[in-house]
Amino acid sequence: EADIYQTPRYLVIGTGKKITLECSQTMGHDKMYWYQQDPGMELHLIHYSYGVNSTEKGDLSSESTVSRIRTEHFPLTLESARPSHTSQYLCASSEYPGGSNEKLFFGSGTQLSVL
Amino acid sequence: DAKTTQPNSMESNEEEPVHLPCNHSTISGTDYIHWYRQLPSQGPEYVIHGLTSNVNNRMASLAIAEDRKSSTLILHRATLRDAAVYYCILEISNFGNEKLTFGTGTRLTIIP
Repeated sequence: EADIYQTPRYLVIGTGKKITLECSQTMGHDKMYWYQQDPGMELHLIHYSYGVNSTEKGDLSSESTVSRIRTEHFPLTLESARPSHTSQYLCASSEYPGGSNEKLFFGSGTQLSVL
Repeated sequence: DAKTTQPNSMESNEEEPVHLPCNHSTISGTDYIHWYRQLPSQGPEYVIHGLTSNVNNRMASLAIAEDRKSSTLILHRATLRDAAVYYCILEISNFGNEKLTFGTGTRLTIIP
């Protein structure tokens, strides 16, 4: 079973607030990802990391930032939230041996609503 | 980039087999085919993946065409809990920088 956790599950905040979405995994996986998904739409990769001190931008441009100070932790931060940031944010991890085994484990997601 | 094409939606009766098709005509020789599913209000979960040979696991079977331009996910006996969006994804070989790009998937409805 996957052990990857996201908090909070739901977040409603006002415009201009700084927020951090938490993501932790206990599997010791090197590679971690953040995807963004609007209702009924596809997932878009916004950030990923190969390991500690590694962060990369994904396929979809995002105003959010990420950090990877510890293997198990990959938080996502929005410095000033706007209504356009309203979406579901999904965190995932994989073992990163490279090649064929990009088997992702996903958290349950954070549904963010910015008023 | 190689892409996949899936029907937007499918319906199936409970306790019957389900065949979910996927076309990937631009697949290259080293690209793996992955399937994930997303249950309502949850993150996606891994179902199965393969390269050339058909694959079986406890969740499903993956049948890959001989020319690899299409594949089919087979749920042998659908239950109501299998109602989900199923994503067919190509893992593009990229020297350790492989990423999975999700499309819109197939929304599977199970009829009791």
